Amino acid sequence: SQQGEEDPQALSIQEGENATMNCSYKTSINNLQWYRQNSGRGLVHLILIRSNEREKHSGRLRVTLDTSKKSSSLLITASRAADTASYFCATDRGGADGLTFGKGTHLIIQP
Amino acid sequence: SAVISQKPSRDICQRGTSLTIQCQVDSQVTMMFWYRQQPGQSLTLIATANQGSEATYESGFVIDKFPISRPNLTFSTLTVSNMSPEDSSIYLCSVDGSGGSYEQYFGPGTRLTVT
Repeated sequence: SQQGEEDPQALSIQEGENATMNCSYKTSINNLQWYRQNSGRGLVHLILIRSNEREKHSGRLRVTLDTSKKSSSLLITASRAADTASYFCATDRGGADGLTFGKGTHLIIQP
Repeated sequence: SAVISQKPSRDICQRGTSLTIQCQVDSQVTMMFWYRQQPGQSLTLIATANQGSEATYESGFVIDKFPISRPNLTFSTLTVSNMSPEDSSIYLCSVDGSGGSYEQYFGPGTRLTVT
C-alpha cells in the first residue's frame, strides 16, 4: 500500500528556478530516499536520509526530514531541462524489506 | 552499483495467458525485489525474493498470480499468470545496494500490455 503522499502532484517551472517537492508518510521509518524516473523507465536513486538526520545535501539536491511531522522535502536548485522527470520518495523499515513509495511529483522544467 | 537487466523490455499479451519476466544482476545479491507500476501511478512492492527460500509477498499479491523463482544469487523471474487488462503495468526488479546500503538499484522495467 502507498505510504507516502507527495505534493504537488505536478510542478512546472522555468529553467534556472528552484523546485521543491514534499513527501509525507504514515509509519515510523528507518530511512527516506528520493528517486527519479524518466518517462516510465527505471528509477535512479538520488539521495538517502536517515531517520536521525535532519538535512542532507548532494550537488544541487537538498533533502530535509522532519520525523515529528513525518514529512520530507526535496529541493532542486538551479533547475535544468534534464531535471524533467517524476520524483518519488520511498521509505524503508530497515532490515531486508522493500521500499514503500509515495505517489510522486511530475516535474517539468520549461526551457 | 549493480547493473540490472530485464527481459523482455516490453510485451503485448492476450488475456488469459502468462508472461515470465527475467531479471539479471551483474553481481551476487542476497535480496531481490519485484515492483509493479500501474499506468500513471507509483510503484508498489509485489514481493521480496531471497535466494534459497520462498518469496515473501505483500498484501494483495499472491503466489498463484505472481509466482517468483530465485534459482541463484544473480537471477530471478516473475511470472504474471492468467493475465487480464488490469495487469497492464510496468514491472521492475531491484536489488539492495552493497555494504548494507538501503538504496536500491532498479532494472529498466518490463512494460506489459494485456489486450
